[in-house]
Amino acid sequence: EPEVTQTPSHQVTQMGQEVILRCVPISNHLYFYWYRQILGQKVEFLVSFYNNEISEKSEIFDDQFSVERPDGSNFTLKIRSTKLEDSAMYFCASSNQGAREQYFGPGTRLTVT
Amino acid sequence: GENVGLHLPTLSVQEGDNSIINCAYSNSASDYFIWYKQESGKGPQFIIDIRSNMDKRQGQRVTVLLNKTVKHLSLQIAATQPGDSAVYFCAENSRRSGNTPLVFGKGTRLSVIA
Repeated sequence: EPEVTQTPSHQVTQMGQEVILRCVPISNHLYFYWYRQILGQKVEFLVSFYNNEISEKSEIFDDQFSVERPDGSNFTLKIRSTKLEDSAMYFCASSNQGAREQYFGPGTRLTVT
Repeated sequence: GENVGLHLPTLSVQEGDNSIINCAYSNSASDYFIWYKQESGKGPQFIIDIRSNMDKRQGQRVTVLLNKTVKHLSLQIAATQPGDSAVYFCAENSRRSGNTPLVFGKGTRLSVIA
């Protein structure tokens, strides 16, 4: 069964450093998303991406965040200058054209020290 | 991912019993709902969805009930098994179209007692 994959599973970085989180969405899906989940809190939407551009973003997704589809399979989330409060689980998801259900990857745990 | 939190509701159920997990939503415009299961160290896994033009939908061992009048959604798991232990989230969408953000509830931790 096709699934969304994410790497790394755990990333530790120092405050102020840049991190790139990687995702490989399900191969025939066209819509991609990033969500995050701070420990003990709800899963929150960050950004959606379609046709090589951002379709929608939340207020959390400020100028320190960016997304990219560098090739035909990867989808990345970059955080330019990490802050302590960026520590969270980051989930990538993907969906088919017109579909409402989204399929999630296993997540990357980001720890900013 | 871990969902440890002092404020996460917990439901403990004996193995073999039925489980009912509840979710309330506030947006009357929400017309699509999904239940996700999240095991420790993993991402949310799709279980079942329902559109607002239905009040019940059944899957394998799971049933989702939707009461739009009181904005309430429930997930029923029949003959609960130890492998059902996880955090369960409801998520909603009010955009009436696909490929738009999901809004997640806080989650309920289900613990199955063997």
